[in-house]
Amino acid sequence: EDQVTQSPEALRLQEGESSSLNCSYTVSGLRGLFWYRQDPGKGPEFLFTLYSAGEEKEKERLKATLTKKESFLHITAPKPEDSATYLCAALPSGGSYIPTFGRGTSLIVHP
Amino acid sequence: EAGVTQFPSHSVIEKGQTVTLRCDPISGHDNLYWYRRVMGKEIKFLLHFVKESKQDESGMPNNRFLAERTGGTYSTLKVQPAELEDSGVYFCASSQGPGGTQYFGPGTRLTVL
Repeated sequence: EDQVTQSPEALRLQEGESSSLNCSYTVSGLRGLFWYRQDPGKGPEFLFTLYSAGEEKEKERLKATLTKKESFLHITAPKPEDSATYLCAALPSGGSYIPTFGRGTSLIVHP
Repeated sequence: EAGVTQFPSHSVIEKGQTVTLRCDPISGHDNLYWYRRVMGKEIKFLLHFVKESKQDESGMPNNRFLAERTGGTYSTLKVQPAELEDSGVYFCASSQGPGGTQYFGPGTRLTVL
């Protein structure tokens, strides 16, 4: 069974304190790994798609990396506006086009 | 370009009543997905449309849930009759290709009393 586990469940940082969020996945082949940001009361907002081990993508203070078993979302010098829940989802290869989501990491950045 | 929209944003109904949720995907996206998130759990897949056809409905919990996508444009998800365990946030997403990046709507928060 496909499974995605995110850690930690919650993370509190001081503004400027860099850290990383982890997404471990077990799927039958990987077509793609997605990262989303979700603010309270809103839908997930797309951040990145990673397709193969070794791939990296960056957007402002965020950088996503991918290995064969996990993905990391690195947050450099975070600001309070980076506070949100970060979700990852793994899309298996084969005939299914349905991603498996993790439960997310709730990030709070204090000023 | 307009994103995925959903209506209503909130719905509170009593057990046994009927509710219909609507989703308008991004224009030109043939693939439309419904998901549900109950409190404390992960987002779970319900079903996938390609144009007006149901590609995969393996996540639909039971026959009280009926999804349609008339003309391959907007989609509706009807719950009839609603039960307490149907409460949660229902998300719709769309993508251009079947394995492409999915863009989500704001969700409909359904509360069944």
